[in-house]
Amino acid sequence: GQNIDQPTEMTATEGAIVQINCTYQTSGFNGLFWYQQHAGEAPTFLSYNVLDGLEEKGRFSSFLSRSKGYSYLLLKELQMKDSASYLCAVRDSNYQLIWGAGTKLIIKP
Amino acid sequence: GAVVSQHPSWVICKSGTSVKIECRSLDFQATTMFWYRQFPKQSLMLMATSNEGSKATYEQGVEKDKFLINHASLTLSTLTVTSAHPEDSSFYICSASHLRGGNQPQHFGDGTRLSIL
Repeated sequence: GQNIDQPTEMTATEGAIVQINCTYQTSGFNGLFWYQQHAGEAPTFLSYNVLDGLEEKGRFSSFLSRSKGYSYLLLKELQMKDSASYLCAVRDSNYQLIWGAGTKLIIKP
Repeated sequence: GAVVSQHPSWVICKSGTSVKIECRSLDFQATTMFWYRQFPKQSLMLMATSNEGSKATYEQGVEKDKFLINHASLTLSTLTVTSAHPEDSSFYICSASHLRGGNQPQHFGDGTRLSIL
């Protein structure tokens, strides 16, 4: 079966750095997405990786290793507004998006 | 950037009512639209995938006669919850993508919070 694993919850301090990991086992691979979802709101797109390596976008970076079935989202200079759930999703060989359950990130002052 | 508009944002209605939710891609043509449901503190659950001009593909366990999906144009898809009951109360979210593959992410509407009394 297809599976996406990410930690359920993480806590970090304002101003610090946090890394949210995601491992996947899917039928084929056509890209990995990270989304941010604040409570009660719809997800918003953060990043896309299809080749191995690091993609940087401001305070957020996303890394992919296809051979390991692994990705991480790195958030730097954490702000209170970064408190949200972070969803990892993989597009499989049928171009269907397989979603992880999300990681709830709690930022403390 | 790509904008998806979902309407209404909040619905409260009596049991037995049918509710229609609209999802529009405002500045791009959405080849594919997706409908999700999310219960409190749970992950997104894909209900169905619809491609313009063809019948929607429903996920296992989703009743196609209860959740009617129409994707009549490249910019509009609708979800109708027929004869809604309290257990249908949930957060319904649509998303749209421009291409079936490639690096195009799904862009989400703001969601519709449905409460059935």
